[in-house]
Amino acid sequence: GENVEQHPSTLSVQEGDSAVIKCTYSDSASNYFPWYKQELGKRPQLIIDIRSNVGEKKDQRIAVTLNKTAKHFSLHITETQPEDSAVYFCAARAFSGGATNKLIFGTGTLLAVQP
Amino acid sequence: NAGVTQTPKFQVLKTGQSMTLQCAQDMNHNSMYWYRQDPGMGLRLIYYSASEGTTDKGEVPNGYNVSRLNKREFSLRLESAAPSQTSVYFCASRGETVTYEQYFGPGTRLTVT
Repeated sequence: GENVEQHPSTLSVQEGDSAVIKCTYSDSASNYFPWYKQELGKRPQLIIDIRSNVGEKKDQRIAVTLNKTAKHFSLHITETQPEDSAVYFCAARAFSGGATNKLIFGTGTLLAVQP
Repeated sequence: NAGVTQTPKFQVLKTGQSMTLQCAQDMNHNSMYWYRQDPGMGLRLIYYSASEGTTDKGEVPNGYNVSRLNKREFSLRLESAAPSQTSVYFCASRGETVTYEQYFGPGTRLTVT
């Protein structure tokens, strides 16, 4: 079945440094790749997404890159701040079995930004 | 708009008891989802409903049933709770616009003893 692998599972950076989280997906038909941020005890919330017809997308300090050939996509956070500390999930839109309404999530990355 | 709401927020059950988790959205979304979140496992899809009157199994449907009561409401039922169902349960919904964004509810923390 469809699978999304996410690395690393934990990431600790100093405030002001950059953080990179990487994901790979198995379904070559996937065309939508969102990233969700979940603060402790809260619900996941979308922070950025990218479609397969675009290689990179930026929104202030966050950016996502996509390599469809290698089936990789990554989240980049620059100038990290303590409020960036959270669990980040990548996901890929699933197509197998004709059901196109699903997202397959990675296992999450706990990002800790040390002041 | 309240967005996606879930009840209850917390619940403790004994093994074998049953309960229903409620979810409602006020965004006129067609698609609704139930996920469970366990440490180190990410968000795993239990069941989803692409439209009123339809439901489909996700990755981990065993031990659960769902009902899409109407366009607003999507409930998840545990008929005979087991300790392995201890988890945080999230409901989500998605509209039929260009974006595929899913909006999540606040979650239900369930403990089965």
